[in-house]
Amino acid sequence: QKEVEQDPGPLSVPEGAIVSLNCTYSNSAFQYFMWYRQYSRKGPELLMYTYSSGNKEDGRFTAQVDKSSKYISLFIRDSQPSDSATYLCAMIHNDMRFGAGTRLTVKP
Amino acid sequence: GAGVSQSPSNKVTEKGKDVELRCDPISGHTALYWYRQSLGQGLEFLIYFQGNSAPDKSGLPSDRFSAERTGGSVSTLTIQRTQQEDSAVYLCASSLGQFNQPQHFGDGTRLSIL
Repeated sequence: QKEVEQDPGPLSVPEGAIVSLNCTYSNSAFQYFMWYRQYSRKGPELLMYTYSSGNKEDGRFTAQVDKSSKYISLFIRDSQPSDSATYLCAMIHNDMRFGAGTRLTVKP
Repeated sequence: GAGVSQSPSNKVTEKGKDVELRCDPISGHTALYWYRQSLGQGLEFLIYFQGNSAPDKSGLPSDRFSAERTGGSVSTLTIQRTQQEDSAVYLCASSLGQFNQPQHFGDGTRLSIL
């Protein structure tokens, strides 16, 4: 079993839809959780950074952490074609672990 | 402000040649990381530096791979006697510290071995 599991998709939604991206993990010691967005031929770009359980909102993006279930989510409201990218979850204990990434396409 | 800078952005070379990839981290970031990303795959950790020291070299795939960092800033990843399976995107990231700080990535070097 991988330490961080992320459905690779691909995920395709119409413009304006609410997108839910998820990761599960096995190590309960993870305390810091991140979401990165990676456009084609670019490096991952930090989107959200949260500590422990709870929600964090930034514009159309909401990151949710449920440590009891070892489950994290990223919600994108009113999705736009410019949101089309690969989204990677990441988490930190003594070092950083990444999910494999979910490829999202938002169709106009 | 300046982000993480990597050069070259693309590199095509023949099998058996040596290649050197460069990473210029964000100013003031003490930790620096190298990853490899193959087509459609996740990030494979290679090595990290805290200052000029590399406490963890466990991710280097073989002894053909080496890395160094000088002056607590620029780092180079060297691959000797390249093989076709070395073809990938090599990403560099930096962070303020290690344990609880997010990493900021460059756009990578796309390496193709013919």
